[in-house]
Amino acid sequence: AQSVTQLGSHVSVSEGALVLLRCNYSSSVPPYLFWYVQYPNQGLQLLLKYTSAATLVKGINGFEAEFKKSETSFHLTKPSAHMSDAAEYFCAVRGHTDKLIFGTGTRLQVFP
Amino acid sequence: KAGVTQTPRYLIKTRGQQVTLSCSPISGHRSVSWYQQTPGQGLQFLFEYFSETQRNKGNFPGRFSGRQFSNSRSEMNVSTLELGDSALYLCASSETGLADTQYFGPGTRLTVL
Repeated sequence: AQSVTQLGSHVSVSEGALVLLRCNYSSSVPPYLFWYVQYPNQGLQLLLKYTSAATLVKGINGFEAEFKKSETSFHLTKPSAHMSDAAEYFCAVRGHTDKLIFGTGTRLQVFP
Repeated sequence: KAGVTQTPRYLIKTRGQQVTLSCSPISGHRSVSWYQQTPGQGLQFLFEYFSETQRNKGNFPGRFSGRQFSNSRSEMNVSTLELGDSALYLCASSETGLADTQYFGPGTRLTVL
């Protein structure tokens, strides 16, 4: 069965610092992986998705993620954090019945 | 194109009542899925509708039901509300189904007292 694990329920960075949000997946088949962002009192917005075309995936708002099969990881990064990046981030994998299986989320705080 | 819209945005009900939530998908999208988000259980899949038919279902009791209309708009109903049903209910739409990229609405925040 497919699953994702997000390490760290809270991450704090200073404005301008590197953002690194960790996601490890478990899948018996080549996975389809996603990162979504949720701003307060809003729904989920798709940041980026991996569909096996390229291991380095670029998304919106300067975020990118690298698929590493050997490490079963799909970590989300951004070189320089902005105050507006403060939100909750969810990693997800498409399950064998195509349902999205979400991680528990990581809340990103950005300090000035 | 306009995004996914959900109404109402906030709802307060008491135990034992029933509630109906509405979702309008992106124009041209025929698949609508519903998710429940709670602090304890996270994001969980409820069900998916495509062309007025339920195609997929999560592990929720029969008190949770839904339907889809010919214009692809969908409603979700919860009967005999329990305190544990308090959650953010998210609707997502896509062109062809769960294998397609899901676009989420802002959610309906349901509070059960």
